[in-house]
Amino acid sequence: GAVVSQHPSRVICKSGTSVKIECRSLDFQATTMFWYRQFPKQSLMLMATSNEGSKATYEQGVEKDKFLINHASLTLSTLTVTSAHPEDSSFYICSASPLAGGLDTQYFGPGTRLTVL
Amino acid sequence: KQEVTQIPAALSVPEGENLVLNCSFTDSAIYNLQWFRQDPGKGLTSLLLIQSSQREQTSGRLNASLDKSSGRSTLYIAASQPGDSATYLCAATQGGSEKLVFGKGTKLTVNP
Repeated sequence: GAVVSQHPSRVICKSGTSVKIECRSLDFQATTMFWYRQFPKQSLMLMATSNEGSKATYEQGVEKDKFLINHASLTLSTLTVTSAHPEDSSFYICSASPLAGGLDTQYFGPGTRLTVL
Repeated sequence: KQEVTQIPAALSVPEGENLVLNCSFTDSAIYNLQWFRQDPGKGLTSLLLIQSSQREQTSGRLNASLDKSSGRSTLYIAASQPGDSATYLCAATQGGSEKLVFGKGTKLTVNP
């Protein structure tokens, strides 16, 4: 139980294009979903927290107009990297929590490797 | 602001050895602390979660302890196996929130 999937697992795109990453909770309803970014040899950094049906809360330094997050249902959240640039190349991981506010263990997706040429 | 540090950054041990991974955090007002495993290019696998009111958790050959007063947690791996080779991440919640702050991890290599 408690499986989280991400799609795609790997994406390569040209600079200036937009990329959408999906995060799904397969066997539970996720009231709260989190998006993280991990640069090579660095730790995971929280980008934003989203609650179903409301606007995402972004961490300091994360551009909300560049990283669009939609959590339209209790099983799906999407992250759209708009006008991607090479510096956006990273490993993006989502997590989902079955409880409001995420006050429980977070279940992590397998990650999406984004490479911007 | 919560900061999480993991020592050592890398560790190489022979198969069968018992080992300890260390994690320290600056803000003791945590809600919980978690240990994860990450294989190269993969997502995270949750290993153990310790609530702030607990002192340790055990799962199979793994035992994690929590000492909030000193801001430390340890992950003990008994009788290590080559399949344990991975990066182990420690994450503590920030203040009273659900936000997880991760350490940079300890890369473990268990040699056959």
